[in-house]
Amino acid sequence: GAGVSQSPSNKVTEKGKDVELRCDPISGHTALYWYRQSLGQGLEFLIYFQGNSAPDKSGLPSDRFSAERTGGSVSTLTIQRTQQEDSAVYLCASSPRMGTGGVEQFFGPGTRLTVL
Amino acid sequence: AQSVTQLGSHVSVSEGALVLLRCNYSSSVPPYLFWYVQYPNQGLQLLLKYTSAATLVKGINGFEAEFKKSETSFHLTKPSAHMSDAAEYFCAVSISGKLIFGTGTRLQVFP
Repeated sequence: GAGVSQSPSNKVTEKGKDVELRCDPISGHTALYWYRQSLGQGLEFLIYFQGNSAPDKSGLPSDRFSAERTGGSVSTLTIQRTQQEDSAVYLCASSPRMGTGGVEQFFGPGTRLTVL
Repeated sequence: AQSVTQLGSHVSVSEGALVLLRCNYSSSVPPYLFWYVQYPNQGLQLLLKYTSAATLVKGINGFEAEFKKSETSFHLTKPSAHMSDAAEYFCAVSISGKLIFGTGTRLQVFP
């Protein structure tokens, strides 16, 4: 079956512009996660959704970052007024349910964001 | 706070040699531990996970890992490396459902 998909695969933007990154989770997966992978910070958790609500936004680095999920499916991560330090690969993952333990997360291929 | 530490940012082995990638965890409670692999320009793929059912966990592509509470370790091994194993490997611990990753180990395999 189809895996997690993300779009665009690459995004180049100018400093100060807003960007939107999209994630389509595996059909039927109720939990959705966003992570960021950068050279300086490694792999960092940003936010997760259970259904359409986001119980944990603790990883969002600033108020320029926001995310929403509609219909319990597609999610959009928005970065306003992008800065060069936002350059990274943004990874989305989904899982069949939100668990406190060993539930596997399935990752998408990521969106590589470059802020000039 | 729970965390994982990966020793060695780069590991190089010859094809056919043993692969050993190290991961130590810090946790006051039994952790849920994962190993993920990332091939170039791809997302993360689960190799194996520890959820307390068995201390020796077998994963895909011939990899396995042993949970050792006394050493707080969850090292990843493969008896014989293949060229296709060249990738970056991440150890992770699950905290309230979200994954906290180690810094990763890049594995190079030489012919």
